[in-house]
Amino acid sequence: EAGVTQFPSHSVIEKGQTVTLRCDPISGHDNLYWYRRVMGKEIKFLLHFVKESKQDESGMPNNRFLAERTGGTYSTLKVQPAELEDSGVYFCASSQGSGNTIYFGEGSWLTVV
Amino acid sequence: AQSVTQPDIHITVSEGASLELRCNYSYGATPYLFWYVQSPGQGLQLLLKYFSGDTLVQGIKGFEAEFKRSQSSFNLRKPSVHWSDAAEYFCAVGTSGTYKYIFGTGTRLKVLA
Repeated sequence: EAGVTQFPSHSVIEKGQTVTLRCDPISGHDNLYWYRRVMGKEIKFLLHFVKESKQDESGMPNNRFLAERTGGTYSTLKVQPAELEDSGVYFCASSQGSGNTIYFGEGSWLTVV
Repeated sequence: AQSVTQPDIHITVSEGASLELRCNYSYGATPYLFWYVQSPGQGLQLLLKYFSGDTLVQGIKGFEAEFKRSQSSFNLRKPSVHWSDAAEYFCAVGTSGTYKYIFGTGTRLKVLA
């Protein structure tokens, strides 16, 4: 069974540009999460989808970040325009139920220069 | 405030030596506790978890962790470290029905041959 997959694995963009990260959860997992780790800090929660609905986006840092999950399958996280402080690793995760163990992907490493 | 502390940013051990990674938490509710590992170029892999019951938890790759409520700790141990254990280790805490894990800042393990 495939795990959580993320694309791209690495991305280098200039400040002001746009980047879109994609996540495919484990098949059958209705719950999808985005977390991120910026430069040596702790990993922090960004938001939670149940199917296509945003259940909690309290961790989204600002309105430059937009997450979608059309059709309740894969999700995208767009950063527009990117700033230097957005550099870090963006992890996607999924679970069967919202209180169950969360399984993480390999992360998308974003560098903004 | 809820928090997780991993006091050791870097740890170096010799191959074959024993290992203990420390984790302390501050959490108002009954915690669910996790250890994740991130190997170079890999995603976050769940090593073990504690929800309830026996306070000594066995995980994958020969790791174990002990929950000590009185000390608010959940230290990770391995009796004999292998070179492939070199990675970054994250302690996380959650609670029943939650998906907002709170992570520590991570401990990077280096293994000497």
